[in-house]
Amino acid sequence: QAGLTQPPSVSKGLRQTATLTCTGNSNNVGNQGAGWLQQHQGHPPKVLSYRNNNRPSGISERFSASRSGNTASLTITGLQPEDEADYYCSAWDSSLNSVVFGGGTKLTVL
Amino acid sequence: EVQLVQSGGGLVQPGGSLRLSCAASGFTFSDYWMHWVRQSPGKGLVWVSRINTDGSGTSYADSVKGRFTISRDNAKNTLYLQMNSLRDEDTAVYYCGSIYDYWGQGVLVTVSS
Repeated sequence: QAGLTQPPSVSKGLRQTATLTCTGNSNNVGNQGAGWLQQHQGHPPKVLSYRNNNRPSGISERFSASRSGNTASLTITGLQPEDEADYYCSAWDSSLNSVVFGGGTKLTVL
Repeated sequence: EVQLVQSGGGLVQPGGSLRLSCAASGFTFSDYWMHWVRQSPGKGLVWVSRINTDGSGTSYADSVKGRFTISRDNAKNTLYLQMNSLRDEDTAVYYCGSIYDYWGQGVLVTVSS
């Protein structure tokens, strides 16, 4: 099954803003929207947003998601050391009848 | 409090079988499609299988089709993954979850002789 495309790594400074991207196609991101997950080493994924910019309770407003066409984005403002993690996007693919994930972006906070 | 408590992982020989369980609490389990996702050591998340709310519809990744079976018991609020004919490449941490809402803690499945 084909996946979504994410940059392997992004590095930003403390208190800066990072924007992570996730590119799919009209069968997944462009049609169904995307969700974003944060995963720290050795821990299960944590939902940051779903269906583009719906944020679960307890998730900081520093995390915001958006979509333009077939590309979804996650913007993290005021970067903190604890934001250093792997970030995955996901979407339901109506053509494949499956969930597809991006390869993940490792965010480093300098 | 929402919880997805997983069990059933372990070491199994190639060709062997294992059944994973995922017990849900704190939300209306029967309202959610549920999924299994796996993550090989040092790698990304890979979708494995999904099941609809009443268990009448399922789908699988090509890599596990014909070998794995997903099922659910809404009376017991539990999701299952029966894994047969296991291969070395099935070694991974397996997560249950609804993808967009809740995730289990993960269980390690190691396929090795």
